Amino acid sequence: DVKVTQSSRYLVKRTGEKVFLECVQDMDHENMFWYRQDPGLGLRLIYFSYDVKMKEKGDIPEGYSVSREKKERFSLILESASTNQTSMYLCASSLRGLGRNTEAFFGQGTRLTVV
Amino acid sequence: SQQGEEDPQALSIQEGENATMNCSYKTSINNLQWYRQNSGRGLVHLILIRSNEREKHSGRLRVTLDTSKKSSSLLITASRAADTASYFCATWPPHTGGFKTIFGAGTRLFVKA
Repeated sequence: DVKVTQSSRYLVKRTGEKVFLECVQDMDHENMFWYRQDPGLGLRLIYFSYDVKMKEKGDIPEGYSVSREKKERFSLILESASTNQTSMYLCASSLRGLGRNTEAFFGQGTRLTVV
Repeated sequence: SQQGEEDPQALSIQEGENATMNCSYKTSINNLQWYRQNSGRGLVHLILIRSNEREKHSGRLRVTLDTSKKSSSLLITASRAADTASYFCATWPPHTGGFKTIFGAGTRLFVKA
């Protein structure tokens, strides 16, 4: 059974803290993604990675960074957490596209609250 | 920016009825996908329809795609209470190089038992 695992379901952090959200997939997928989901806004892409050590900014990268040292692991880093980063964070992975099935497999989500 | 926009935003029906959700998008696509999200969970892929397909079935799901109108619909037949969830369409525009899937804001479906 394919799996994308996020390290935490719920997280509460203080303003200014550095926050790490971890995501691991076991499907040998090239692509990995971090989205945030807020009511009425759908899923917004923060960063994605199409290979080890490669990363590309999505639509809302400000205040975030990522790390992909190994193919199966993609980390999202909030450099200095702020209350407007309170959200649901979703990690996903997929095969590289262009002619291939590109369905995304999602983790269970991390609900982050910054106080 | 969100390319896919679902309509309606929310839908409430009785068990046994059919539920239809629509999705419109703006640019050309290679494929369009529908996902389901149970409350507070991750998204689960339901069905993918390629740009050269017009209709696809999977169990109680029927998806249509009209590329001339840049729209798709998801029909769930004989709905069950367990179908209560949010449903998202996602498009995969070729100009993103196969790296980005763009999601809409979703339709919240509530099926009353």
